[in-house]
Amino acid sequence: AQRVTQPEKLLSVFKGAPVELKCNYSYSGSPELFWYVQYSRQRLQLLLRHISRESIKGFTADLNKGETSFHLKKPFAQEEDSAMYYCALLARPTGNQFYFGTGTSLTVIP
Amino acid sequence: ETGVTQSPTHLIKTRGQQVTLRCSSQSGHNTVSWYQQALGQGPQFIFQYYREEENGRGNFPPRFSGLQFPNYSSELNVNALELDDSALYLCASSPGGGLAGVGEQFFGPGTRLTVL
Repeated sequence: AQRVTQPEKLLSVFKGAPVELKCNYSYSGSPELFWYVQYSRQRLQLLLRHISRESIKGFTADLNKGETSFHLKKPFAQEEDSAMYYCALLARPTGNQFYFGTGTSLTVIP
Repeated sequence: ETGVTQSPTHLIKTRGQQVTLRCSSQSGHNTVSWYQQALGQGPQFIFQYYREEENGRGNFPPRFSGLQFPNYSSELNVNALELDDSALYLCASSPGGGLAGVGEQFFGPGTRLTVL
């Protein structure tokens, strides 16, 4: 069955330190993965997707099919990165089905 | 360009009642997805509509149903409400079309449903 796991509910790092938010998935097909972010009192919004291979706000994520992971990384955390982060999988067995993880709340300590 | 809007913002119902939630998609978007988000959980996919047809469904019972209209706005209907239906209901629209379009979802602010 399809599943997205984010093992850390809470993560705190100091400003300027590297940050990694973990995401593991379970899917027998070809995965399409995304990171969504929700800043305080804002809507959920797309941060990045693996097919774009882009860096957004200094964040990158590499799809590792061998380890079935899609970890989100940033070399130097900023205070404005404090938010809730969700990893999401798009599965297409019949039509489209999205699976979200339970989220990781990131706090960047000044 | 207007964003995704949802109505109402809050709703209180009693068990057994029926509820309709509404969503207006972002201009130019033809795909709408609905999610249920319980407290402390990630969004759970209910279903997706593309050009007025259901285009994917999550693990929700048939009492969760939906519609998409020619202007791409959408409704989520829930019959025979249960206490566990209390949650934030999110609507997301996307440009649809190819893979890139489907994945780029723009979320609304949500409707908070409380079932007593």
